[in-house]
Amino acid sequence: EAQVTQNPRYLITVTGKKLTVTCSQNMNHEYMSWYRQDPGLGLRQIYYSMNVEVTDKGDVPEGYKVSRKEKRNFPLILESPSPNQTSLYFCASSLQGASGNTIYFGEGSWLTVV
Amino acid sequence: QKEVEQNSGPLSVPEGAIASLNCTYSDRGSQSFFWYRQYSGKSPELIMFIYSNGDKEDGRFTAQLNKASQYVSLLIRDSQPSDSATYLCAVTSGSARQLTFGSGTQLTVLP
Repeated sequence: EAQVTQNPRYLITVTGKKLTVTCSQNMNHEYMSWYRQDPGLGLRQIYYSMNVEVTDKGDVPEGYKVSRKEKRNFPLILESPSPNQTSLYFCASSLQGASGNTIYFGEGSWLTVV
Repeated sequence: QKEVEQNSGPLSVPEGAIASLNCTYSDRGSQSFFWYRQYSGKSPELIMFIYSNGDKEDGRFTAQLNKASQYVSLLIRDSQPSDSATYLCAVTSGSARQLTFGSGTQLTVLP
């Protein structure tokens, strides 16, 4: 089954404690992306990757890091989380480029920073 | 920064009516336009996409695109209570590097 898997799905953490949200896809997609969603703000792109070792900033990259060492994985790293990073996070992948009709979303990760 | 604007709503329509959702975008190089439906706490699901000016119909849904006005809309005919959700407009940049979402319009269909 084609899927994008995110972990953890739910996390409460404390300010400053480094955390990683993993994202894995099993479709051999080249394109992967992270979004955050806050009430009234839709989905805002954090980082995206066009292929292995190719990553770029989206619209709200501050406070986040990513890596793309292998095609299937695209982890999101919060080196020093702060309460304003409390949000719902979605990972997404697409065969080639940010094509909205072939993009697959993960189920989302609820992150609370206290 | 490329922008996609939607009326935030909320929008309420009676069951059986037509719901009209609107979206404008700022990047004239945008090539592809999408409408997603999102239930609370769930991931977005694609319901329509359109690439060319004009109308595209799929069942009860019609997407309309006017590139000159940088405007895309979604009509939902014979609205059902199960259509109650947030509808997100999304636009792929000309470079196909980014899919940018609007803030969404919350639709409630009243029985």
